[in-house]
Amino acid sequence: GAVVSQHPSRVICKSGTSVKIECRSLDFQATTMFWYRQFPKQSLMLMATSNEGSKATYEQGVEKDKFLINHASLTLSTLTVTSAHPEDSSFYICSLYRQGLTDTQYFGPGTRLTVL
Amino acid sequence: GENVEQHPSTLSVQEGDSAVIKCTYSDSASNYFPWYKQELGKGPQLIIDIRSNVGEKKDQRIAVTLNKTAKHFSLHITETQPEDSAVYFCAASETSGTYKYIFGTGTRLKVLA
Repeated sequence: GAVVSQHPSRVICKSGTSVKIECRSLDFQATTMFWYRQFPKQSLMLMATSNEGSKATYEQGVEKDKFLINHASLTLSTLTVTSAHPEDSSFYICSLYRQGLTDTQYFGPGTRLTVL
Repeated sequence: GENVEQHPSTLSVQEGDSAVIKCTYSDSASNYFPWYKQELGKGPQLIIDIRSNVGEKKDQRIAVTLNKTAKHFSLHITETQPEDSAVYFCAASETSGTYKYIFGTGTRLKVLA
């Protein structure tokens, strides 16, 4: 498997502020990470693919200037929600892609963002 | 592109009974199908997976079957326990070389004690 951590696990912020979420691979070097958001009782929605050393690839409809992704090392990717608004409140989850015998994504524990 | 449908959306079973969740996919080139279990407030956890060159895989009380011809795969949980209660997601790998998955809509399983 793989061990993935996210920090913070929960954050509450005021509207208009920016929030940074960290995703760390604790036991292997991940060249590819993914960022998802999940609304209550819904499936996972892919926001972007984060590749180490290059620009992230965003899914259609996801604003790259609002959701800044930085994958500066093989063990860390960050998602910054800029100028957050209440509609950005969601559960944000990262995953690491581990290539090998099976092409598997391993997920972090998630970050609950609440924007007041 | 790939599309994954998952049924049922909710499933209640008595403890000790079996539970079956089914998914269909559209892209016949998809070759990897993982299943994830998500408990409330947590990230999804991989519970079992299967590649397209295998028809069935089992891990203790959990099994997955794949029918490539019909393009569907199923999760089977036997001897269900209350701790199996969670939301289960199936997924199919995209074939574009992006390593992305297409997820099903999820099944909320409730095991009644």
